[in-house]
Amino acid sequence: SQQGEEDPQALSIQEGENATMNCSYKTSINNLQWYRQNSGRGLVHLILIRSNEREKHSGRLRVTLDTSKKSSSLLITASRAADTASYFCATVSPSSGSARQLTFGSGTQLTVLP
Amino acid sequence: GAGVSQSPSNKVTEKGKDVELRCDPISGHTALYWYRQSLGQGLEFLIYFQGNSAPDKSGLPSDRFSAERTGGSVSTLTIQRTQQEDSAVYLCASSSLAGGTEQYFGPGTRLTVT
Repeated sequence: SQQGEEDPQALSIQEGENATMNCSYKTSINNLQWYRQNSGRGLVHLILIRSNEREKHSGRLRVTLDTSKKSSSLLITASRAADTASYFCATVSPSSGSARQLTFGSGTQLTVLP
Repeated sequence: GAGVSQSPSNKVTEKGKDVELRCDPISGHTALYWYRQSLGQGLEFLIYFQGNSAPDKSGLPSDRFSAERTGGSVSTLTIQRTQQEDSAVYLCASSSLAGGTEQYFGPGTRLTVT
C-alpha cells in the first residue's frame, strides 16, 4: 500500500522557474527519499533526508522534512526541460522490519516547457 | 561498473501462461528488491532478499508469485498462471545496505498479459 500522497499530481512550468512538489506520509519514518522516473521505467535516486534532519541541499535540489506534519517538499530551482519526469517520494519506516523496503507516494508529473 | 540490469525489457504473454523475469543486481550489493508499478500508480513492494537470509515475501500479492535469488546475486521473479491484472512494470533494485542508503533501480520489465 502507498505510504502517502503527493501534491500536485501534475505540474507544468516554464524553463527557469522553480518547481515545488509536496509529499505527505502516514507513519513514522527512518528516512525519506526522492526519486525521479523518466518515461515510466527505471528510477533514479535524487536525495535522502533522515528523520532527524530538517533540510538538505544537493545542487539545484532542496528538500525539507517536517516530521510533526509528516510532510516533505522537493524544490527544484532554475528548472530545465531535462527535468521533465515523474517525481516520487519514498519512505523507510521502522515498521517495515528487516527489509526496510521503500514505500512510495503516488508521484508528481513535472513538465518543464522550453 | 554496470548498474542493475533486467530482462526481458518487454514481455507480452497470454493469460494463463507462466513468465520469468530476471534481475542482475550491482555486483557486491547484498540487498535486492522487487517492486511492481501498475499504470499510473506508485511502486508497490513485492519481495526482498538480503544475503543468504530467508526472503521477506510480505508484499507478494498472491501465491502465483514467487522469486528466488541464486548464489546471492541474480534473482528471478516468476508469475504463474498470469492474469490481466498482473500487467505492470516490474522493477528490481539493489542496495549495499538495507534501508539506510539509496536503492539503485534497473530499467524494469514491462509485462503485458493479453
